This record gives sequence, structure tokens and C-alpha cells, in this order.
Amino acid sequence: EAGVTQFPSHSVIEKGQTVTLRCDPISGHDNLYWYRRVMGKEIKFLLHFVKESKQDESGMPNNRFLAERTGGTYSTLKVQPAELEDSGVYFCASSQGGGDTQYFGPGTRLTVL
Amino acid sequence: QKEVEQNSGPLSVPEGAIASLNCTYSDRGSQSFFWYRQYSGKSPELIMFIYSNGDKEDGRFTAQLNKASQYVSLLIRDSQPSDSATYLCAVNRKSSYKLIFGSGTRLLVRP
Repeated sequence: EAGVTQFPSHSVIEKGQTVTLRCDPISGHDNLYWYRRVMGKEIKFLLHFVKESKQDESGMPNNRFLAERTGGTYSTLKVQPAELEDSGVYFCASSQGGGDTQYFGPGTRLTVL
Repeated sequence: QKEVEQNSGPLSVPEGAIASLNCTYSDRGSQSFFWYRQYSGKSPELIMFIYSNGDKEDGRFTAQLNKASQYVSLLIRDSQPSDSATYLCAVNRKSSYKLIFGSGTRLLVRP
């Protein structure tokens, strides 16, 4: 069974540009989470989807971040326009049920110059 | 105060020793407790989870939870160099499925 996959693995963009990160959860997992880790800090929650619905988006830092999960399968996280402080590693995780084990993807390392 | 606190380490132990990793949390509403292992540049991988006070054993790993003291620990017996990684403590609350992470403890097992 394939694990959580994320694309791209690395992205380097300039301040003000737009970047879109993609996450493909484990097949059959209705719950999808986005987290990020900025340099020197702990991994922090961004938001949680149940199928295509946003269950909890309390961790989204501001309106420059837009997450979607059309059709309840893969998810995208768009940052527009990117700022320097958005640099970090963005992780996606999925779980079958809400309280079940969350399986993490390899992350996307975003560098904003 | 951070919600989940861990000593950043590194914690250095010789091969074959017991490694003891500790974590405290501030929210008494925390319900579930998780230990993830993360190798450099890789994704966090779940080692163990624990919900109830006491000990839970799985192979060389034992998780210990003390809700009164708001303390959770992970013991690794017979430590191996391959156990060298960052160990992340995470909790979630009854009202939410999001994980709240500590900053992690780096473990180094010396051959």
C-alpha cells in the first residue's frame, strides 16, 4: 500500500510568488491534515479535512494560505503571495478515522528568497 | 509556555543502554499521547501511542503516562545506533484531532 505522497519535495521561490503544494493521502483515508515546521520550531498544525470539508482550519496563519480538497482525494495548499517567513517544511498526514493514527508524508521543503 | 515541552538534547547513550525520553504537557484536557520518530530529512513515523495512565510496552519501547503530573515518557531498551533520530512527543485534545507537537529530542546512540 502506498503511503502519503507529497509534491514537490523541494520548492525555491522568490518573495511575492505563488506556490502550490500537493498531497495525496493513503487511499481510503477520509482525514487529511496539513502541518508545517519552520526553522527551529516545532511542527504546527495548519488544518484538517474530512473528505472535502474543512473540519478545522484554526492553524492557518493568514489569508495568503488556501487549502483545497476537491473530490475528497488529494489536497493542495497554495501560498499566495509567499513571504520569507513561510519558509519551512510542509507535512501532510492522513488517517482513516478522525482519532486514528496519522501517517505523515515526506514533506515539501519550501524556501522563499 | 509551550503546550508540549521536550528537552532538545542531544541525549547520548551507549549502544545497549536504556534511553529515556521525556515530555510534559500543559493542557489537562489532553487525551491521547503519541511518540513519533523522525530521521533527518524524513517524515515522522509513529512509534507508540498511549491513552491511559501507566505503562504500555511494544518490543523494545515502553511508553509511560502520568496524567496527574502531565508527563509522558518513552523508554528504549537495548538502544541501537539505528535508533539515533529525533523523537517527537505529540498530544491531542478531546475536542480536536489535531496533533500538538513538542520540538523533539535528538537521540544519539554511540556504537
